[in-house]
Amino acid sequence: GQQLNQSPQSMFIQEGEDVSMNCTSSSIFNTWLWYKQDPGEGPVLLIALYKAGELTSNGRLTAQFGITRKDSFLNISASIPSDVGIYFCAGPNFGNEKLTFGTGTRLTIIP
Amino acid sequence: DSGVTQTPKHLITATGQRVTLRCSPRSGDLSVYWYQQSLDQGLQFLIQYYNGEERAKGNILERFSAQQFPDLHSELNLSSLELGDSALYFCASSVGGAALSYEQYFGPGTRLTVT
Repeated sequence: GQQLNQSPQSMFIQEGEDVSMNCTSSSIFNTWLWYKQDPGEGPVLLIALYKAGELTSNGRLTAQFGITRKDSFLNISASIPSDVGIYFCAGPNFGNEKLTFGTGTRLTIIP
Repeated sequence: DSGVTQTPKHLITATGQRVTLRCSPRSGDLSVYWYQQSLDQGLQFLIQYYNGEERAKGNILERFSAQQFPDLHSELNLSSLELGDSALYFCASSVGGAALSYEQYFGPGTRLTVT
C-alpha cells in the first residue's frame, strides 16, 4: 500500500527560527493535507493542496505540492511556542476518501 | 473547535469487556471516519461511513464494528477488549459524496485504557 515518510522525525529549534519539513511518497498523490496534533488532542487541518506546484500559505505556514506529485513540503516561519506539536502529512488513497497519514515530524522549541 | 464531538473523553475498562464510542460529525458532513492512534504511533484508519453506509474499511479488527445512524452520528463498538486496544480513538468527518472531499476534520478523541 501507499506509504508516506516524513523527515525529519523530530526537530529541536529555538523560538524565532524557521522550520522546514517534508513528506515523500512511493506513489503519486493528487491531494496533500497537512495536520498538526497537540498531545492528547485531535489533529487540526492546517493546509490542503490540490495541484502540482501549488504553494499555499496559512499565516506563518507555507506548504508546497511537489512537482513530481510524490512529495510535499511545509515551512513555518519565525516559530513560536504554540507551534510545538506533531505535524502530519496525509493524502487520499486512489479512488476513495480514505487518508494515509505520514509518520509525523515532532517539533520541540528549546527555551 | 472543529465541530466534531466525541464522547466519552476518557474510558477505563477491563480486558474482555465491550465499549461504545460515540461521534457526532460537523453540521452538513455526511462522511464519518474512525482512526486508532496507539502511543507514539501514527493514525491508523479503521473504517468510513457515508450517509449511513459503509464506504471504506482499513485495518479494523473483527472484534470492532461501527455504524452510522440516520441522524449521521456514528458509534464504534469494541468488544472482547485486550490490553493492546488501549489507544486514542479519533473520529473525523468530511462533506463526502461525489466530490470526493479529502479535507477531514477531527474530533478531540476518546482515550481508551484497558486494564
